[in-house]
Amino acid sequence: DQQVKQNSPSLSVQEGRISILNCDYTNSMFDYFLWYKKYPAEGPTFLISISSIKDKNEDGRFTVFLNKSAKHLSLHIVPSQPGDSAVYFCAARSGGYNKLIFGAGTRLAVHP
Amino acid sequence: DAGVTQSPTHLIKTRGQQVTLRCSPKSGHDTVSWYQQALGQGPQFIFQYYEEEERQRGNFPDRFSGHQFPNYSSELNVNALLLGDSALYLCASSLASSGQETQYFGPGTRLLVL
Repeated sequence: DQQVKQNSPSLSVQEGRISILNCDYTNSMFDYFLWYKKYPAEGPTFLISISSIKDKNEDGRFTVFLNKSAKHLSLHIVPSQPGDSAVYFCAARSGGYNKLIFGAGTRLAVHP
Repeated sequence: DAGVTQSPTHLIKTRGQQVTLRCSPKSGHDTVSWYQQALGQGPQFIFQYYEEEERQRGNFPDRFSGHQFPNYSSELNVNALLLGDSALYLCASSLASSGQETQYFGPGTRLLVL
């Protein structure tokens, strides 16, 4: 039973345009959401997070939107750069001890 | 500021053997979580250690065990290895009292079971 789903395994975007990565979840008890970026042969790198009491958080080129009624969050990258090409994981915090539940990831390719 | 470190980077074992993976948390962090990432999937939570005790566990058998030392570093042990244990094992650290939920990951140990 996948509680966090990233339904698009891959996304291709032109440099300078917006990248939108989507994530759906089923557990309404999740209270914190995070996005991680992963390059090959490296561990996931934290990008941005959002508490369930917010609906938007922005950090430079990265913005995360949370729609609790739809149990959906999205990561917007504007403008996209070739260095953004990586696998992006959505994660949700479950319970009081910071256990993270991850989606399967979306591979983003930003081409010139 | 040293980040999360893990050793070894790669490991090859045969079925039935035992393996120990090691993790040093980011400086100032006191909580260590372990995850298993199979090919093409997201990381799956194995367990978390705080104050040298396991305080939360995911859906993994007892063959998976761990330890946290007084300096906050941690080990993951897997007994009676199966082919299906082949995966990238990730360690993540965080600070329990910070009120922040961000976990910082190490580069991982890639385990191949033959």
